[in-house]
Amino acid sequence: KNEVEQSPQNLTAQEGEFITINCSYSVGISALHWLQQHPGGGIVSLFMLSSGKKKHGRLIATINIQEKHSSLHITASHPRDSAVYICAVTPSRETSGSRLTFGEGTQLTVNP
Amino acid sequence: NAGVMQNPRHLVRRRGQEARLRCSPMKGHSHVYWYRQLPEEGLKFMVYLQKENIIDESGMPKERFSAEFPKEGPSILRIQQVVRGDSAAYFCASSPRGLLYNEQFFGPGTRLTVL
Repeated sequence: KNEVEQSPQNLTAQEGEFITINCSYSVGISALHWLQQHPGGGIVSLFMLSSGKKKHGRLIATINIQEKHSSLHITASHPRDSAVYICAVTPSRETSGSRLTFGEGTQLTVNP
Repeated sequence: NAGVMQNPRHLVRRRGQEARLRCSPMKGHSHVYWYRQLPEEGLKFMVYLQKENIIDESGMPKERFSAEFPKEGPSILRIQQVVRGDSAAYFCASSPRGLLYNEQFFGPGTRLTVL
């Protein structure tokens, strides 16, 4: 079983819909990251969080440390949000740096 | 401040040749991470380096793969005697320090194709 599990694997939405992507992890962590990978392959860091909630534009990320669960929400979705969204964690056992353990990603397609 | 740079962006090699992938971290960043993304698979950690030191290479295959981050110049991921299974996207990320709670910045990746 992967240390980081995402759901759903694939998600199709209509423009304007509210979208939620979930991430569960099975190890203690010091931080959780949400990344976005566009069709061209480039990776952008969206959020890094260790508690609570963060918001950037139409994106909101929350984390519940006790439940080992995080969600990424997209409000008023747009076709340009179509991408793979990846959850990654820095396990708290890591003392040598900030190596990331990744989920398999969620392919989001937003149709106009 | 330029972002993380990787070159080449695309690399084609025949089986048995060597592949050299370069990563220039963001200015002021002295910590570099290499990740591999096989076709239709997720990202996997390979190696973590600081200037002139390999800190964690637990994700590197035992043979044919090596990495360095010299005092001057870019970090290099070297794959000797490439095989078709090495075909993948290789991403480099950098951070200003290796402490926990540290955000990493990713490069655009090098797509290696082994014929």
